[in-house]
Amino acid sequence: TQLLEQSPQFLSIQEGENLTVYCNSSSVFSSLQWYRQEPGEGPVLLVTVVTGGEVKKLKRLTFQFGDARKDSSLHITAAQPGDTGLYLCAGPLSGGSYIPTFGRGTSLIVHP
Amino acid sequence: GAGVSQSPSNKVTEKGKDVELRCDPISGHTALYWYRQSLGQGLEFLIYFQGNSAPDKSGLPSDRFSAERTGGSVSTLTIQRTQQEDSAVYLCASSLGRLAAESFGPGTRLTVT
Repeated sequence: TQLLEQSPQFLSIQEGENLTVYCNSSSVFSSLQWYRQEPGEGPVLLVTVVTGGEVKKLKRLTFQFGDARKDSSLHITAAQPGDTGLYLCAGPLSGGSYIPTFGRGTSLIVHP
Repeated sequence: GAGVSQSPSNKVTEKGKDVELRCDPISGHTALYWYRQSLGQGLEFLIYFQGNSAPDKSGLPSDRFSAERTGGSVSTLTIQRTQQEDSAVYLCASSLGRLAAESFGPGTRLTVT
């Protein structure tokens, strides 16, 4: 059983389109992280959200943490081929654990 | 500055042999994590070191797996009597804070034949 469910699992879109990927759980997290991973490399941390309802923007990427700190979303505006990669969400459960648990990721391909 | 480095980048070994995987974290990072990633699976937590505290070994899948961190810096993950199901990419990450695994290395791809 995955603590963090990510959807969709795969996404193939054209350059310029907008998209949203989701990270959902029935558990409360003390924070959530989003990473992008490219083939043959380790994940790269994009953002950490900590407060329920928090919204963070990183250029064309908008991250939101749910009010109850059980879910998060990543919205990409005007996707570019350079956005291609595996997007992973992760976080430590609320209650003292410092160990992030990871979702299985959303694999995004942006076609030129 | 230098990021997290891991060696070797690739390792092919025969079933039953022992392997050692090395992680050099970012200097000054007190937290160090080991994860493994199999095709189609998320990252599976293995072990967590934080400063001088006893490591959290709750993710190690069997007693064939062990890890140590010397001097609060370099870490070695050892797999004894490797099995085919151990084939995966082993990822190491280090952090200055406790919120997240901040910086990942490129991983070691282990193939057990």
